[in-house]
Amino acid sequence: DTAVSQTPKYLVTQMGNDKSIKCEQNLGHDTMYWYKQDSKKFLKIMFSYNNKELIINETVPNRFSPKSPDKAHLNLHINSLELGDSAVYFCASSLVKGALSYEQYFGPGTRLTVT
Amino acid sequence: LAKTTQPISMDSYEGQEVNITCSHNNIATNDYITWYQQFPSQGPRFIIQGYKTKVTNEVASLFIPADRKSSTLSLPRVSLSDTAVYYCLVGDGTGFQKLVFGTGTRLLVSP
Repeated sequence: DTAVSQTPKYLVTQMGNDKSIKCEQNLGHDTMYWYKQDSKKFLKIMFSYNNKELIINETVPNRFSPKSPDKAHLNLHINSLELGDSAVYFCASSLVKGALSYEQYFGPGTRLTVT
Repeated sequence: LAKTTQPISMDSYEGQEVNITCSHNNIATNDYITWYQQFPSQGPRFIIQGYKTKVTNEVASLFIPADRKSSTLSLPRVSLSDTAVYYCLVGDGTGFQKLVFGTGTRLLVSP
């Protein structure tokens, strides 16, 4: 059973297009995240949702719009894709109970290539 | 969040013990120390977390001195499959987790 799954695994598209990445977790967690890992391998958080509510929104262009239809899903929609958006995007989830909840479970990643 | 400093890379051989040290001079009283492992083309994986002294699980041990300004991840008898990037993070471990990953330490285990 896959704990955190993402689709697609690879995404190649042209500049200016709009694309979505889907994430699902079957761990019963209440918090989900999107991270971006660039070509230099720096991993940075983009968004976090807790019980479908946006709680972390880092300095991300508004072309990126996360959507959480329910606690188990967090999708990432990207409008007007740019070359600099090329990266690996990781979804993660965790159970936040107020104490020692630093254990996040990451998905396999989606490699986005913008040409 | 406290900044962490780790060696960029380390080399080892199979069967050896590997110790990766992380410096976090500005760690706050409520901060915990957490280590993640990332294999190529995979998402990071939680390894271990601790607050002080020593923590051990089936994968690794975490040593934290009394001043907590540094920590050491110890991997006993590494194998080729331990080749990965290891990240040290600090934070208060409560509430909503904005994990801040540094550059990590790239460990290469050779035969």
